[in-house]
Amino acid sequence: SQKIEQNSEALNIQEGKTATLTCNYTNYSPAYLQWYRQDPGRGPVFLLLIRENEKEKRKERLKVTFDTTLKQSLFHITASQPADSATYLCALVLSGGYNKLIFGAGTRLAVHP
Amino acid sequence: DSGVTQTPKHLITATGQRVTLRCSPRSGDLSVYWYQQSLDQGLQFLIQYYNGEERAKGNILERFSAQQFPDLHSELNLSSLELGDSALYFCASSVEGIGLAGLRDNEQFFGPGTRLTVL
Repeated sequence: SQKIEQNSEALNIQEGKTATLTCNYTNYSPAYLQWYRQDPGRGPVFLLLIRENEKEKRKERLKVTFDTTLKQSLFHITASQPADSATYLCALVLSGGYNKLIFGAGTRLAVHP
Repeated sequence: DSGVTQTPKHLITATGQRVTLRCSPRSGDLSVYWYQQSLDQGLQFLIQYYNGEERAKGNILERFSAQQFPDLHSELNLSSLELGDSALYFCASSVEGIGLAGLRDNEQFFGPGTRLTVL
């Protein structure tokens, strides 16, 4: 069956450390993958997009990798801050011409001072 | 602020009733998407409209329907409501939702959501 898996347990890290979140997928062939941030009771906010032919993307303190052989994306936040505490969602976009997003369940990140 | 507006913010109703959720996309965005987010199901794609036409369907129940009007705002109609329909409903918009030569890898801008409670 098709699955998108993200760490179901919350990730707790100390301020200043690097947070690494994982997104694994099964039986999908995404054309690209997006990462969103969601705060409680609010809509997701787009962070980064990475295409299937790209290995790595960076934006400020954020870095995303995409390994289509392992069927995995890693999302890194360097020099993390308490303000980075939120739920992070990965979303696959499949080939087919439409921009439909298939979301993982998300990983809750808590950055402690 | 994403530029996407949704009304109402909260809706409390009873089982068997019908409600309408409204979404106004960002200025210039032709695509509108509806998502349902519940605690046990996560964020689920329901349906997409592009410039007034339905483009893609996800896990949308037959009791639910949507449309996009000429001014590009969209409505999601939920009927014969059940307790399990209680959830956050998000609308999102993007510049384009159609792939031509290839995919349009556009980010989606989400609205603040409508929290529906069915009692």
